[in-house]
Amino acid sequence: EFVLTQSPGTLSLSPGERATLSCRASQSTSSSYLTWYQQKPGQAPRLLIYGAASRAPGIPDRFSGSGSGTDFTLTISRLEPEDFAVYYCHRFGFSSFGQGTKLEIK
Amino acid sequence: QVQLQESGPGLVKPLETLSLTCTVSGDSISSHYWSWIRQPPGRGLEWVGYIYYSGSTDYNPSLKSRVTISVDTSKNQFSLRLSSVTAADTAIYYCSRGYKSTWYGYFDYWGQGTLVTVSS
Repeated sequence: EFVLTQSPGTLSLSPGERATLSCRASQSTSSSYLTWYQQKPGQAPRLLIYGAASRAPGIPDRFSGSGSGTDFTLTISRLEPEDFAVYYCHRFGFSSFGQGTKLEIK
Repeated sequence: QVQLQESGPGLVKPLETLSLTCTVSGDSISSHYWSWIRQPPGRGLEWVGYIYYSGSTDYNPSLKSRVTISVDTSKNQFSLRLSSVTAADTAIYYCSRGYKSTWYGYFDYWGQGTLVTVSS
């Protein structure tokens, strides 16, 4: 079974700081289908990153993705107030999403 | 602008069949992968399945025996049926457009979601 594990579960940071979110796959996977989503309370998820490193249209350049094989990272260079949300990774074509990382204001 | 809108009953009795429809505007359903993704209250996301416009389907193995996704190209809609529901199927159900190519795959447009509660 293919499993994505995100860490940390919760990340407490202040606006202006740098956030680093991790997504680890249980087996090596194509980075072409690795995606990241942002979800705010009461809203549908929003595509942030596809192909592990490509920003979706309209996504600010403070968001960046990297990684390959089993280890992938979402980085937010300087946190804005609107960035505090839950972030999910997913490998398109497989069932499971990561369990999510909640990014909260410290 | 592509828009998706879920519709269907918000309350389903245990052991009955959950039925939802997603109406797509701003894009033809005769392309892409049309998907259902659900989220139990306060929990994470779970992919339910998708249908390609040609009619081919793929389902989450844990739900496969109970799930049917179909498409109606004349109405630009696709639908979800989940049989023999239990309280564990209570969730917000999202419909989404899946894009897949040789190089990339992702869900780029989502409906607002609809809460379905399983209760007698």
